[in-house]
Amino acid sequence: EVELVQSGAEVKNPGESLRISCKTSGYSFTNYWIAWVRQMPGKGLEWVGVIDPNDSDTRYSPSFRGQVTISADKSTSTAYLQWSSLKASDTAIYYCARPEDNNDYRVFVYWGQGTLVTVSS
Amino acid sequence: SYVLTQPPSVSVAPGRTATITCGGDNIGSKNVHWYQQKPGQAPVLVIYYDTDRPSGIPERFSGSNSGNTATLTISRVEAGDEAGYYCQVWDSSTDHHVVFGGGTKLTVL
Repeated sequence: EVELVQSGAEVKNPGESLRISCKTSGYSFTNYWIAWVRQMPGKGLEWVGVIDPNDSDTRYSPSFRGQVTISADKSTSTAYLQWSSLKASDTAIYYCARPEDNNDYRVFVYWGQGTLVTVSS
Repeated sequence: SYVLTQPPSVSVAPGRTATITCGGDNIGSKNVHWYQQKPGQAPVLVIYYDTDRPSGIPERFSGSNSGNTATLTISRVEAGDEAGYYCQVWDSSTDHHVVFGGGTKLTVL
């Protein structure tokens, strides 16, 4: 059974760094891209970016390029989303998701449960 | 960048048919996917590649896509269908980006 289990909720101050995780199981981690999606409070879904765990090829939405870093650890089948300096506007739920097909990332069948990140002083 | 436009809200009585649209420039040339999201839960894929249903999704959910509009249709609407619905495409023209519509809140009266 494919599972994506995300790390727990975080409360941080502006300017702090943070890394959240998405631990996968039930399939070959290096065969499928992993995406990150943001949902700000009461708002819609926004694509953050995606990584190919096989070679760490990473692609970002223009809105998030330079703001976050996506990475993956093949040894633990885990993908990460990190910030070096959080802002209040980063407050949101972040989902990881796995596509249906192992060749691309056109549609997402499997989703993590979401990680709530709250940035407030 | 490519833009997908959805109505913010749609209301329907139980047992009737709900239609949720997703507009985009020549969207009929792209594959459209639809997700359902209930409060406090992660999104669930309900329609992919315009018309296909993942296993476990009721036949009441169907999709179509032509011209500048894609449509998600929910027949015989139930109270449990009340949720947010998002369309999504893969825009190969702009560095292979994933694009979501703004979402539609379906209210079952």
